[in-house]
Amino acid sequence: TQLLEQSPQFLSIQEGENLTVYCNSSSVFSSLQWYRQEPGEGPVLLVTVVTGGEVKKLKRLTFQFGDARKDSSLHITAAQPGDTGLYLCAGARGSQGNLIFGKGTKLSVKP
Amino acid sequence: SQTIHQWPATLVQPVGSPLSLECTVEGTSNPNLYWYRQAAGRGLQLLFYSVGIGQISSEVPQNLSASRPQDRQFILSSKKLLLSDSGFYLCAWSVRVELFFGSGTQLSVL
Repeated sequence: TQLLEQSPQFLSIQEGENLTVYCNSSSVFSSLQWYRQEPGEGPVLLVTVVTGGEVKKLKRLTFQFGDARKDSSLHITAAQPGDTGLYLCAGARGSQGNLIFGKGTKLSVKP
Repeated sequence: SQTIHQWPATLVQPVGSPLSLECTVEGTSNPNLYWYRQAAGRGLQLLFYSVGIGQISSEVPQNLSASRPQDRQFILSSKKLLLSDSGFYLCAWSVRVELFFGSGTQLSVL
């Protein structure tokens, strides 16, 4: 069974701090995606990484795909209260959307 | 642009009652459609996916069923709800790998 382990499960920080969350697996994925979910809403896609070692930046968010395509990280610089939410990583097993989801990191950024 | 509609937003049902959740997608043709369930504190569990009309694949044996009567319509059903069916149900669509989710239905079975 392919599993994606996310860490930490919970993270509470002050506005302005930096943070990194991790997504790890023993399996190789063809691509990996990060989503953010707010309470009572569906997840919203942030980024897709495809190539081993790939780094993508989305404003203050930096996403990295591991060289072996088994793991990924999300780094947020100068976190803001608007970054609060559940961050989910999801690995793809092929070219379709049958994704394996991690359990998520619940981030709280306090003003 | 593509949009996905999922309803109702919340639902409270007694044990043993039937269920029907509906999801429709606009602005795209022949999408892959998905039903996920998210329990509190857990990740998303894929329940069903469909690559075309009448084509349904089940990932987890359970008390639920799905149907796709039209290209952009996906329905999740149950004849008799169990307490364990409570959760947050999400419909999603994709053309390639990326998923685009509806706003979810919070189902409470009492």
